[in-house]
Amino acid sequence: GNSVTQMEGPVTLSEEAFLTINCTYTATGYPSLFWYVQYPGEGLQLLLKATKADDKGSNKGFEATYRKETTSFHLEKGSVQVSDSAVYFCALYENSGGSNYKLTFGKGTLLTVNP
Amino acid sequence: DAGITQSPRHKVTETGTPVTLRCHQTENHRYMYWYRQDPGHGLRLIHYSYGVKDTDKGEVSDGYSVSRSKTEDFLLTLESATSSQTSVYFCAITPYAGISAPGGYTFGSGTRLTVV
Repeated sequence: GNSVTQMEGPVTLSEEAFLTINCTYTATGYPSLFWYVQYPGEGLQLLLKATKADDKGSNKGFEATYRKETTSFHLEKGSVQVSDSAVYFCALYENSGGSNYKLTFGKGTLLTVNP
Repeated sequence: DAGITQSPRHKVTETGTPVTLRCHQTENHRYMYWYRQDPGHGLRLIHYSYGVKDTDKGEVSDGYSVSRSKTEDFLLTLESATSSQTSVYFCAITPYAGISAPGGYTFGSGTRLTVV
């Protein structure tokens, strides 16, 4: 079945450091890929998405490129801020049978940014 | 999140009692989902609905049932709560399904359930 593997956390960085959170996936077809962010005590929010190979999603300084050849969708940010401290989830969206589609999540990566 | 609310936000219940969590949306979205979030597991799908009275199981549906009698409400029931069902439960909605769906899901703020 479909699956998403994210790098284990927690990740701790200093403000203005470069961030990479690795995400690879296994899928039978051509999924759409997402990154969600969860701030403390809140639900998940969509951060960015890509719907086909070589697409780049971007939002709030974060970027991720859909790499079909390596089945990856790594999240990057050039200069993190304390306010970026959160849990980040990689997810894939694909047909789960018939006309039904499903979002499958990775386990999440906790990012802490220190001033 | 705007347009989707979960109730209650927190609940403590005893083992063996039934519990119902409610997800209410004002967006008129067709698709609704229940997930549970546990450390080391991320989010796992419990049940989902693709229309009024149309529901299906997710990957961790044992011990849970759902009902959707109207578009705006999706109820999750734990028939007889167990300690393994202590978790944070999230509801999510989306207007479309399919590979051309415009975006991701909108999530509620969650219900923290503790079974003692």
